[in-house]
Amino acid sequence: DVKVTQSSRYLVKRTGEKVFLECVQDMDHENMFWYRQDPGLGLRLIYFSYDVKMKEKGDIPEGYSVSREKKERFSLILESASTNQTSMYLCASSSRLAGEGDEQFFGPGTRLTVL
Amino acid sequence: AQKITQTQPGMFVQEKEAVTLDCTYDTSDPSYGLFWYKQPSSGEMIFLIYQGSYDQQNATEGRYSLNFQKARKSANLVISASQLGDSAMYFCAILNSNSGYALNFGKGTSLLVTP
Repeated sequence: DVKVTQSSRYLVKRTGEKVFLECVQDMDHENMFWYRQDPGLGLRLIYFSYDVKMKEKGDIPEGYSVSREKKERFSLILESASTNQTSMYLCASSSRLAGEGDEQFFGPGTRLTVL
Repeated sequence: AQKITQTQPGMFVQEKEAVTLDCTYDTSDPSYGLFWYKQPSSGEMIFLIYQGSYDQQNATEGRYSLNFQKARKSANLVISASQLGDSAMYFCAILNSNSGYALNFGKGTSLLVTP
C-alpha cells in the first residue's frame, strides 16, 4: 500500500520557535510538495521539489524553507514560527511524469498551532 | 496564471439522490489536466477522478463522473446515488505545469448528505 507519511498529526509550538515538519514517501516519486490549507482558501502551494537537493518556491514561500537531502524525504522548516502560520500542512508526492494524469498522493496532514 | 473557481461553499443532498459540484477553470495552457479530490473530516485527501483536456470522453469512476465542457471551461463533478459517507469537502484542481506539476486548488465545496 503506497504511502505518504508526516511526522506529526498535531503540533503546538510557541512564537519564535524553529519548527520542522517531516514528510516521507515510499513510492520512489521524484516530485514532492508542501501545501498549506486554511478554511475558505483551499490548498496553497508553499514549496515543491522535483529532485534531491532541488527546491522551488510556490505561491506562498515567505516564512518557510525546505530541505530535500534524500529522495523519499521532504522537510518543511519554519525558521521562526508566527501565529499566522497556524494552519493545516499537507505534504504530497507524484511521479515525474505526473502531467499525464498521475494523481498526487497526500499525507494525512499536520495541524500546527503557534501560540 | 491558472485558476480554479468553485462557487458553491456548501451543498446539501438527500441520500440516494445525484448531486453536481461546480468547477470552472482558467488556463492559457493548450494541454492541461483537471482533478477532483475528496477530503473527509479526518483530513486525508482522496483522489476521485481525472480529466485530461484532450480526452475524447468524460471521465467516470464508479459513482463519480465528470461533466467536462471545454468551451465553457467547466469540469463539474457528478456524484450519483449519494451515500452518507460522501459527506466531505470536495476540491477541484488543475495541474500547474510551471510548478513541477503541483496542483492549483479551488476553495472547495462542503457537501452534506442527509438521510
